[in-house]
Amino acid sequence: EPEVTQTPSHQVTQMGQEVILRCVPISNHLYFYWYRQILGQKVEFLVSFYNNEISEKSEIFDDQFSVERPDGSNFTLKIRSTKLEDSAMYFCASSVEGVGAGELFFGEGSRLTVL
Amino acid sequence: EDQVTQSPEALRLQEGESSSLNCSYTVSGLRGLFWYRQDPGKGPEFLFTLYSAGEEKEKERLKATLTKKESFLHITAPKPEDSATYLCAVSPYGTDKLIFGTGTRLQVFP
Repeated sequence: EPEVTQTPSHQVTQMGQEVILRCVPISNHLYFYWYRQILGQKVEFLVSFYNNEISEKSEIFDDQFSVERPDGSNFTLKIRSTKLEDSAMYFCASSVEGVGAGELFFGEGSRLTVL
Repeated sequence: EDQVTQSPEALRLQEGESSSLNCSYTVSGLRGLFWYRQDPGKGPEFLFTLYSAGEEKEKERLKATLTKKESFLHITAPKPEDSATYLCAVSPYGTDKLIFGTGTRLQVFP
């Protein structure tokens, strides 16, 4: 069964360092997303990406965040200068037709710990 | 403001003891309501999408229903493997995002 894969599964970094989280969405999907979940809190939307551009972003997704689809298979989230409050589980998701048409497939997540 | 509230926060059931989880929502225009299952340390796993009031969907021991203000996830004769956190989310019209509730943590004991 096709799945969304994410790397790394866990990353520990120092405050102020840059972090790149990587995702390989399901191959025929066209819509890509990043969500995050701070420990014990709800899953929160960060950004959606379609046709090689950001289609929507939340207030959380400020200038420290960026996304890229550098080739036909990878989708990355970069945090330029990490803060303690960026510590969370980051989930990549993808879908064929966008969230209104049905399900998002989520990856297993990348746990980011900022010290 | 678009919002999702789930209750109860946690639920402990004996195996075979049926129950319901509630999801109340406030949204400017509902495009869809989604139920996901999340196991510890894992990503959400899709269960159902409901689009209009009165709609119902079933999968094994789970049945989801939708009204204009809330959705219920009914669990019939649960088994220990149904233990997980169940997440409700809405997608408002004009957006491509999901707004999640905090979830209901279900534990089913043999």
